[in-house]
Amino acid sequence: NAGVIQTPRHKVTGKGQEATLWCEPISGHSAVFWYRQTIVQGLEFLTYFRNQAPIDDSGMPKERFSAQMPNQSHSTLKIQSTQPQDSAVYLCASSLPGGGGAETLYFGSGTRLTVL
Amino acid sequence: GEKVEQHESTLSVREGDSAVINCTYTDTASSYFPWYKQEAGKSLHFVIDIRSNVDRKQSQRLIVLLDKKAKRFSLHITATQPEDSAIYFCAARDNNAGAKLTFGGGTRLTVRP
Repeated sequence: NAGVIQTPRHKVTGKGQEATLWCEPISGHSAVFWYRQTIVQGLEFLTYFRNQAPIDDSGMPKERFSAQMPNQSHSTLKIQSTQPQDSAVYLCASSLPGGGGAETLYFGSGTRLTVL
Repeated sequence: GEKVEQHESTLSVREGDSAVINCTYTDTASSYFPWYKQEAGKSLHFVIDIRSNVDRKQSQRLIVLLDKKAKRFSLHITATQPEDSAIYFCAARDNNAGAKLTFGGGTRLTVRP
């Protein structure tokens, strides 16, 4: 079991360019979560999918961010017209539903996005 | 929505002593409280959790206490070891709001030899 795989590990974009981040969840896990980690804001929830269906995107900046899960083996987070404030580590996690609401998230190593 | 506050941003203890990290939450509907650990240069991994139907849970050297009345929970690490040095994040989940976790800001724990 390779765990949650995120690619690329590092991405540098120029202001205004597009960035696409990839996540491969653990095989058999039914939920995929995206979080953003910065020193200032900490860990911010962005969005999550259950059985490939979008469930909650309340943390997504509406205009430039989008996420998809076209199949059970990968999810993408796309940021259009990147801005310096988008610089962060983007974390993907997957999980299996647990009893009583307990659901352990397994995090990938993250993609460090730097917008120049 | 839920807000989780982690009271200590940094904590330094001597090896062998106990460390306590405190968190508070705002949403009375929250019922699941996990803790995650992030070692230097690595991603987060789960360490222990507690559900609202109990007020104490122990796993080896880790103890989690939950005070629902005060909306407070804490992680106690006993007999600390150098490998306990990491950033610890507390989190809360309101089951009525789906599966997303709201995280605290993190506590950087340093265990001094």
